[in-house]
Amino acid sequence: EDQVTQSPEALRLQEGESSSLNCSYTVSGLRGLFWYRQDPGKGPEFLFTLYSAGEEKEKERLKATLTKKESFLHITAPKPEDSATYLCAVHVNDYKLSFGAGTTVTVRA
Amino acid sequence: SAVISQKPSRDICQRGTSLTIQCQVDSQVTMMFWYRQQPGQSLTLIATANQGSEATYESGFVIDKFPISRPNLTFSTLTVSNMSPEDSSIYLCSARPSGGEQYFGPGTRLTVT
Repeated sequence: EDQVTQSPEALRLQEGESSSLNCSYTVSGLRGLFWYRQDPGKGPEFLFTLYSAGEEKEKERLKATLTKKESFLHITAPKPEDSATYLCAVHVNDYKLSFGAGTTVTVRA
Repeated sequence: SAVISQKPSRDICQRGTSLTIQCQVDSQVTMMFWYRQQPGQSLTLIATANQGSEATYESGFVIDKFPISRPNLTFSTLTVSNMSPEDSSIYLCSARPSGGEQYFGPGTRLTVT
């Protein structure tokens, strides 16, 4: 059975304190790994799709990387507005996404 | 990209009643999806809404409880039927216009009393 595990569950950072979120997956035939940001009371906001090991993508202070077993979302010099829940999802077949439980990031000024 | 809107944004309903949620996409898309997010949890796929054919439901979700319509390439509805308090959730519409991106609507927050 396909599994997506995110760690840590929660992360509290000081403004400017860089850190990484982990998404490990056990799937057969990965067709894409997605990262989303979700603010309270809102729908997930698309960030990145990664397709193959070694691929990296960046957006502002966020950088996503992918290996054969896991993905990392690096947050460089975070600001309070980066506080959100970050969701990882894998696309295995038929365009279905299986989501992890998410990592809630809080950045204090 | 795709911009997705949902109506209503929230509702409070009595048990035993039904609610229909509308989803509108600003461009034509082949694939539309409906997800549920229960309080404090991640997203679970309910069904894939196919234009011109019946929806495909995931394990644990049935058509009688969650009927779906997909009349064209920009619109879909999800009905939550015969509601109980356990149906209280956020219901999210999603679309994958092309390439590798999948977008979500703002969600419908449903409370069943």
